[in-house]
Amino acid sequence: DIQMTQSPSSLSASVGDRVTITCRASQSISSYLNWYQQKPGKAPKLLIYAASSLQSGVPSRFSGSGSGTDFTLTISSLQPEDFATYYCQQSYSTPGGFTFGPGTKVDIK
Amino acid sequence: QVQLVQSGAEVKKPGASVKVSCKASGYTFTSYGISWVRQAPGQGLEWMGWISAYNGNTNYAQKLQGRVTMTTDTSTSTAYMELRSLRSDDTAVYYCARLRLGGYDSSDYWGQGTLVTVSS
Repeated sequence: DIQMTQSPSSLSASVGDRVTITCRASQSISSYLNWYQQKPGKAPKLLIYAASSLQSGVPSRFSGSGSGTDFTLTISSLQPEDFATYYCQQSYSTPGGFTFGPGTKVDIK
Repeated sequence: QVQLVQSGAEVKKPGASVKVSCKASGYTFTSYGISWVRQAPGQGLEWMGWISAYNGNTNYAQKLQGRVTMTTDTSTSTAYMELRSLRSDDTAVYYCARLRLGGYDSSDYWGQGTLVTVSS
């Protein structure tokens, strides 16, 4: 199975900061990588699919990049509503399943 | 508008089964799949599997093979997830989500979640 890791596991940032979260796959997954945002007590929300495609309705301050094994999610200017946990998910491995990374919690500095 | 509405919270004893429903509206049900994801208290997201609403094909997480069954009823646009032989570590919020299949698969609309508590 493909394993996903994320770094950092948590970070503290201020409104207006540029934030970068990294996701790494245990083997190449091409661009089969999604990013989700989850706030406490709420369902996840799709932000980015296919590594770099912005989901409809998601603010343009969110962007994704990468291919193969290394990926990043960037928030260009952190807003108060962006404090949440972010998960990457690979959608490459059908037999093994669409595994999630462990998550990165972004909180207020 | 696309909506996924899940059934209510459940409390089950160890060894029992639970069946969670997910009623879809606002889109052509058979043009998408449904994925199921769970989240134990204070933990991350765990992918459980998916089902194609078009042809019923399924793909389950290896660790749940033999205990989970996902089905759909296209006449009511409802998906179901049944988990058997429940254990305490199955206590979690269970989410269904609309799955865009056939390319860069991703889950773009989610249900509100169903809390399943397994306790003696």
